[in-house]
Amino acid sequence: EADIYQTPRYLVIGTGKKITLECSQTMGHDKMYWYQQDPGMELHLIHYSYGVNSTEKGDLSSESTVSRIRTEHFPLTLESARPSHTSQYLCASSSSGENEQFFGPGTRLTVL
Amino acid sequence: ELKVEQNPLFLSMQEEKNYTIYCNYSTTSDRLYWYRQDPGKSLESLFVLLSNGAVKQEGRLMASLDTKARLSTLHITAAVHDLSATYFCAVGPHNDMRFGAGTRLTVKP
Repeated sequence: EADIYQTPRYLVIGTGKKITLECSQTMGHDKMYWYQQDPGMELHLIHYSYGVNSTEKGDLSSESTVSRIRTEHFPLTLESARPSHTSQYLCASSSSGENEQFFGPGTRLTVL
Repeated sequence: ELKVEQNPLFLSMQEEKNYTIYCNYSTTSDRLYWYRQDPGKSLESLFVLLSNGAVKQEGRLMASLDTKARLSTLHITAAVHDLSATYFCAVGPHNDMRFGAGTRLTVKP
């Protein structure tokens, strides 16, 4: 069973605030990902990591940044939130081989 | 650029009926994934298809992959209400996985 956690689950904040979305996994997976998903729409990859100290941008341009200091932890930071950042953010992880991605429960972000 | 197309995007079906969801993709890939998403929830992995001709079944769902046709199908047999959800296919390497737009399935009594 996948063990990947995200906090907070819901967040409502004002424009201009700095926020960090947390993601942790206990499966020892080397690869981790952040996706953005608007309601009822497809997922878009915004960041990924091959392992510790590795971070790359995905196909969707994003004003967020990520870090990977520990294998199990992959936080995403928005330095200055805007209403256009309102969305659901999904974290996922996978191991080598099948590359099947396991998803966290998501963070639903609303920026006022 | 890899593009993934699912159809139909919306599917309303009666219980006990059969139907198929299609997933076409534009460039060569030897692996394809199917996920389920309930409203307001995250994605749950259903199937991982890793080779041409792969077929996997779980309960009333069966997925297949034809890499030559760049096509995967998700077949629903004798639908029940609990299968109501959005189903996504995804294709590509781990660092560039592209998702279809999703098929929103509603099973009615």
